Parts: sequence; structure tokens; C-alpha cells
Amino acid sequence: QKEVEQNSGPLSVPEGAIASLNCTYSDRGSQSFFWYRQYSGKSPELIMSIYSNGDKEDGRFTAQLNKASQYVSLLIRDSQPSDSATYLCAGRNTGGFKTIFGAGTRLFVKA
Amino acid sequence: DTAVSQTPKYLVTQMGNDKSIKCEQNLGHDTMYWYKQDSKKFLKIMFSYNNKELIINETVPNRFSPKSPDKAHLNLHINSLELGDSAVYFCASSQDPSGYNEQFFGPGTRLTVL
Repeated sequence: QKEVEQNSGPLSVPEGAIASLNCTYSDRGSQSFFWYRQYSGKSPELIMSIYSNGDKEDGRFTAQLNKASQYVSLLIRDSQPSDSATYLCAGRNTGGFKTIFGAGTRLFVKA
Repeated sequence: DTAVSQTPKYLVTQMGNDKSIKCEQNLGHDTMYWYKQDSKKFLKIMFSYNNKELIINETVPNRFSPKSPDKAHLNLHINSLELGDSAVYFCASSQDPSGYNEQFFGPGTRLTVL
């Protein structure tokens, strides 16, 4: 069974700190990875996608991918209370059509 | 304009009933999906259609039957509803089924089976 695993949290960080969210995956064929943010009672929305080893930055968000270690992370700099949500990590094998989601990490940013 | 829409937003029904959830996307995407999110927030793929053709059919009870009349619509019909079917059902779409495209999610349908 191909899986994506995340620590369910909750992860609590003070406002202005860096929040670090981690994810591991079991399918070595996974080629593309996504971080979605889901507010309570709302639908998931894409934050970042990453396909190559290394870092990808977009504003306050940095995604990191290490295919050798089968590890994906999301860093949120200058965390804001509005960042409080569940963050879903997802991986996809381009040979297939399925996106496999992790169970999500709940993040709380304390004002 | 709403990109991916679902109706109804809430659905409360008795065990044994049959119900349908409708989904429409106006993004011009070729691929649509149904996901189930349980109480633990785990989002799991159920079905996917690409240009009205079924391409993903996960291990889902055959009481669940998707229908795609055209590539902008993907409906989900559920027969003989059970308590365990209670969840939030999300419809999503992407440009095509390849691995590099973002999926856009609808607002979800919260199904409660009593």
C-alpha cells in the first residue's frame, strides 16, 4: 500500500516563528508533490507544488524535497494566526493517475 | 465565478435511502475526481474520470456509482446508505490526469446518515 505519512500534530508555534511541517512517502515512483491547506469546514487549496530535489520558495512558503530520503517538507516563515489550518501533503506517481494524501498536520499559530 | 461547485452542501438522510451528489466545473478541465474525507480528515480518492472515461476506481462498495454525462460534470449516486458513509465528499478537477497538475476542489458535501 503506497502511503504518505504526516505527524497529525497539533503543531503549535508563536506568531512570527517558522513552522516546519514534514511528510514522508513510501512510493519511490512518486514524482510530484503538493502541499494543500485546509481550513476547518472548507475545501483543500494548493499552497505549493514541487517536482525536483531541493527547495522551492514562494513568498513566506518554502517546500523542500529529498527523493533519496523520500521526504517532503513545508516551511512557513513569519507564521500568522491566519496560517492556522490543517496542511495536507500529497504525492503523485506520473505513471498513474492517483494522488495520495497524508492525513494532514494541524497547525496552530498563537497570537 | 465558482470554479468547482457541488450540490447539495449538506445532506442528512436515513439509512437505506438512495441519494445523489452533483458536481460541475467551469474550468475547462478534462479530469474530475471524487474524494471522501472521514472524521479524521483523511482524504481518499474514490473515482476519477478523464473526458467522461473512468480511469480510477478504488476499492469502493458498488453502492457508489459515479456518472459523467460530459467532462464538466461528475455526479455520485449512493444506494442503500449506511452509517459509515457519513463523511464529507469532495469533487475536484484538474487540467488532465498527469501528475503535475493542481487539483481544484469543490466546497464539499457533508453527508450525515442517521
